[in-house]
Amino acid sequence: ETGVTQSPTHLIKTRGQQVTLRCSSQSGHNTVSWYQQALGQGPQFIFQYYREEENGRGNFPPRFSGLQFPNYSSELNVNALELDDSALYLCASSAGLATDTQYFGPGTRLTVL
Amino acid sequence: SQQGEEDPQALSIQEGENATMNCSYKTSINNLQWYRQNSGRGLVHLILIRSNEREKHSGRLRVTLDTSKKSSSLLITASRAADTASYFCATGSGGSNYKLTFGKGTLLTVNP
Repeated sequence: ETGVTQSPTHLIKTRGQQVTLRCSSQSGHNTVSWYQQALGQGPQFIFQYYREEENGRGNFPPRFSGLQFPNYSSELNVNALELDDSALYLCASSAGLATDTQYFGPGTRLTVL
Repeated sequence: SQQGEEDPQALSIQEGENATMNCSYKTSINNLQWYRQNSGRGLVHLILIRSNEREKHSGRLRVTLDTSKKSSSLLITASRAADTASYFCATGSGGSNYKLTFGKGTLLTVNP
């Protein structure tokens, strides 16, 4: 167990809807990264938040947005859902900005119908 | 885009045998990490090797890094059925300190 929690575990939405996924980071960690993992693929970096500011972003459209709160928990919001957004969404927390060990949560499985 | 590419895509061995997985990457890196994933759930960090290191051990795991060939290998010795999982390499690159770039993974099956 890494101490990183995510909710919900599973989620089913229809195309065009909006979704919010949540992540609580490990105690003492101020950095949260979000990844999308399609079936049979490796995780793809979406963005990272450090002390409530977006620190970097991968190749994802603006309808993917996020927040980090003062307690360092985080949300991933996806608007106008598309079928290809169906994936496992993983958050990872770390103690700083460097790419040293990131601790992953169990993920949220999103299905878009 | 994928930075690392694991090889083979799938590997099936008997319990007690050794398993070797390879990873190749394209750009210069700060470090390379190996993760394990069971049944499409969260990733578990196994080991990190920095760009100035050549070999690292952790329990039954041995990782090597060859920066001249831009490749790494993960060896699991005396495998167990519980080692059945997908294994991913991930690189942290010099200009992008904030993200890990993953390969597609190797699916390891250890038969009892």
